[in-house]
Amino acid sequence: SQTIHQWPATLVQPVGSPLSLECTVEGTSNPNLYWYRQAAGRGLQLLFYSVGIGQISSEVPQNLSASRPQDRQFILSSKKLLLSDSGFYLCAWGQGYYEQYFGPGTRLTVT
Amino acid sequence: AQSVTQLDSQVPVFEEAPVELRCNYSSSVSVYLFWYVQYPNQGLQLLLKYLSGSTLVKGINGFEAEFNKSQTSFHLRKPSVHISDTAEYFCAVSPRGSNYQLIWGAGTKLIIKP
Repeated sequence: SQTIHQWPATLVQPVGSPLSLECTVEGTSNPNLYWYRQAAGRGLQLLFYSVGIGQISSEVPQNLSASRPQDRQFILSSKKLLLSDSGFYLCAWGQGYYEQYFGPGTRLTVT
Repeated sequence: AQSVTQLDSQVPVFEEAPVELRCNYSSSVSVYLFWYVQYPNQGLQLLLKYLSGSTLVKGINGFEAEFNKSQTSFHLRKPSVHISDTAEYFCAVSPRGSNYQLIWGAGTKLIIKP
């Protein structure tokens, strides 16, 4: 069966510090991969998605970036965090036009 | 452009009462439809999905949903709710021929009153 891992689970970072969140998927190959953010009391905002290694599409221009160095690994990064980057970050995988499966999420607080 | 509307931001209901969470969508192409549940500080979990076939779909935790093509709706129902159903529920559609993205509703918070 497929599983998706995200880490860390929680993170507190000062403004201006770098960020690296990692997501890995097991039990499937060539998945579509997604990064979402939920701000407090808000819905889901798609940040990036990838349909293959090295292929990244950005949905929202901002100081975040994503990379996919391996088939089942998706990394979300920032060089300098802003207060507005605080939120709940979710990684998901899917195949084709079908459902997506979500990881447990990372709670990021920028102070 | 496609869109998903969840008509209620919050739905309070007494324990053991029935509930319906409403979802309407707009799309120029056919869609697949999904309902997800999110418990506090957790990721989203797939409740049920409609891909084709019978328009009444049964999911986990006693939930079901009915696809109504003429009304472009996919309402979620449960005949008797429990305290453990307290969560946020998201409706999503996947337009066929799209770029593999789901179009999300804003979510509905289900509040169970004892």
